[in-house]
Amino acid sequence: GQQLNQSPQSMFIQEGEDVSMNCTSSSIFNTWLWYKQDPGEGPVLLIALYKAGELTSNGRLTAQFGITRKDSFLNISASIPSDVGIYFCAGNSGTYKYIFGTGTRLKVLA
Amino acid sequence: GAGVSQSPSNKVTEKGKDVELRCDPISGHTALYWYRQSLGQGLEFLIYFQGNSAPDKSGLPSDRFSAERTGGSVSTLTIQRTQQEDSAVYLCASSLVGVYNEQFFGPGTRLTVL
Repeated sequence: GQQLNQSPQSMFIQEGEDVSMNCTSSSIFNTWLWYKQDPGEGPVLLIALYKAGELTSNGRLTAQFGITRKDSFLNISASIPSDVGIYFCAGNSGTYKYIFGTGTRLKVLA
Repeated sequence: GAGVSQSPSNKVTEKGKDVELRCDPISGHTALYWYRQSLGQGLEFLIYFQGNSAPDKSGLPSDRFSAERTGGSVSTLTIQRTQQEDSAVYLCASSLVGVYNEQFFGPGTRLTVL
C-alpha cells in the first residue's frame, strides 16, 4: 500500500542534541499526525496538526504542518535516552484513511 | 479514560491452526482499524470498520483473514489455517469520525506461527 517518505530512515545522536525529521507526500493532506513507537508497544500519538503552517509543541517536541500541505516536520530538542524509538508520521486527506510513513528509527547515545 | 486494549498480547500457534485476535476500542469511537506490522516495518492497513460495517476490507491479504465487529464496539480478527508468513504484530486502532479523527492504537498482539 501507499506509504509516505520519511527522512532520515534512522539516526544516531548524542544525548542533549536536537533532532529533526520530516515526512513528505505526493498528495495534499488535511491532517498530519506524529506517533512514537517503543519496542513491543503500539504507536503513541504525540502531536496532531490540522492547518497548513500550524506549529504545535508537546514538551520538547515541536511539529509543523508544511505550508504546501504535502509535508510535515518533527523536531525534538535536547534529546534524552528515552526518546529512542521509531517515529511515524501519518497523513489524512479528509477521509477515514491515514497513510503512514516508513518511520524514522532514533537511537540516542548517552 | 481507558485506551484501546487488545488480547492476547502474545500468541504462539502452529501452522494450520486458526487464531482469533480481539480489540476493545475506546468507548465512543465508532471507527476501528486493523493493521499488521512485520518486524522492523511500517504499518500495513488491513480493514476499516464504521460501526459494525466494514466499508474497506481492501487490505486483507487473503481469504484466510476475516474480521467482524459487534455492538459497534469489540472487534475480532480471525486468521484461518495460519501460515508462517502471518507472523507479525497485529495492531488495532480506533477513532472518532470527522475532522478530529486521530487514531489511537492498542498495544498490539504479537503472533508467531511455528
